[in-house]
Amino acid sequence: DQQVKQNSPSLSVQEGRISILNCDYTNSMFDYFLWYKKYPAEGPTFLISISSIKDKNEDGRFTVFLNKSAKHLSLHIVPSQPGDSAVYFCAARKTGANNLFFGTGTRLTVIP
Amino acid sequence: EAQVTQNPRYLITVTGKKLTVTCSQNMNHEYMSWYRQDPGLGLRQIYYSMNVEVTDKGDVPEGYKVSRKEKRNFPLILESPSPNQTSLYFCGVGGYSNQPQHFGDGTRLSIL
Repeated sequence: DQQVKQNSPSLSVQEGRISILNCDYTNSMFDYFLWYKKYPAEGPTFLISISSIKDKNEDGRFTVFLNKSAKHLSLHIVPSQPGDSAVYFCAARKTGANNLFFGTGTRLTVIP
Repeated sequence: EAQVTQNPRYLITVTGKKLTVTCSQNMNHEYMSWYRQDPGLGLRQIYYSMNVEVTDKGDVPEGYKVSRKEKRNFPLILESPSPNQTSLYFCGVGGYSNQPQHFGDGTRLSIL
């Protein structure tokens, strides 16, 4: 039972354009959401997070939006750069817990 | 520099031959965990530890053991490995109270 879902296995975007990665979740107990970026042969690297009390969090080129009523979050990367090419994982955590529930990942390719 | 170190990075072995994957951290975090990553399934938690001598099962604990005798180390033990444990394994550190978890670079296990 996948509680965090990333329905797009891959995404290709031209350099300089916006990349939008989507994530849906089913468990209303999730209150903290994270995005991780993963390069081949490396572990996931934390990118940005958002608490359920917010609907937007921004860090440089990266912005995460949270729509709690739709149980949906998205990661926007503007402008996209070739170095952003990686697999992106969405993750969520329940109130009072520490373990993360991960999505299946979206492979982003930024074309120069 | 904050580090999560896993060893070995790669291992090919045979069914039934006990093996241990080590994880050490220099961040002085109490919380450590193990995940496995499989195609189409994202990362799934195997075991976690809230502190020394405190461990608990995650979502997919069958066939694994862990121990936490000191704060910096959290080894993953496969007493009798089987081919369905062929996977990519990640050790996670930290993540308490709306802080992100940090991951090692992964251990790729192949059980023949």
